[in-house]
Amino acid sequence: DTGVSQDPRHKITKRGQNVTFRCDPISEHNRLYWYRQTLGQGPEFLTYFQNEAQLEKSRLLSDRFSAERPKGSFSTLEIQRTEQGDSAMYLCASSPGGGGFGANVLTFGAGSRLTVL
Amino acid sequence: GDSVTQMEGPVTLSEEAFLTINCTYTATGYPSLFWYVQYPGEGLQLLLKATKADDKGSNKGFEATYRKETTSFHLEKGSVQVSDSAVYFCALSDYKLSFGAGTTVTVRA
Repeated sequence: DTGVSQDPRHKITKRGQNVTFRCDPISEHNRLYWYRQTLGQGPEFLTYFQNEAQLEKSRLLSDRFSAERPKGSFSTLEIQRTEQGDSAMYLCASSPGGGGFGANVLTFGAGSRLTVL
Repeated sequence: GDSVTQMEGPVTLSEEAFLTINCTYTATGYPSLFWYVQYPGEGLQLLLKATKADDKGSNKGFEATYRKETTSFHLEKGSVQVSDSAVYFCALSDYKLSFGAGTTVTVRA
């Protein structure tokens, strides 16, 4: 297994267009997370899946954002009607499902950079 | 909610200098604490972790001790190298990671 894969690595789009990012987690990991990172800031939590169930969404995730994880494998993050403020790096991470969350070590992908013109 | 506050940068050091990056946390329970590192052009990587009070995490010459009495998890390295130039993030975990803003460290030869 080569780790967490994200695609595309970089997306440039015009304001108002829709974009979709894909994340392929480590195959045996049950938990999958999406984060957003803007320049000079730490990653901010967006949403979290346990298998195919979306268990929490941050208030940062407006109605224009939707995430899915069909069949508990890969996940997609779609942004509709993009705005310039959506420009950021979108990070995906996965972790094993067993045990408590305290020792929950996340493995991150390289990220998908979105530029909205 | 739970949060971390870490020392602002940027930090510029000469090779072989001592590095400390301060991190304090606020939490209602007993979170695990982490340091992640982001090298230029690469994704976030776990550097070290500690899951309970007085635990010391260590990796690649870096160390951090989970201090419950001071709610701190400061990162230290005794002798930095140019290859340690990166952005360092302190984080805590209940069921998700909450990150600090990051500290950019540049090591000059």
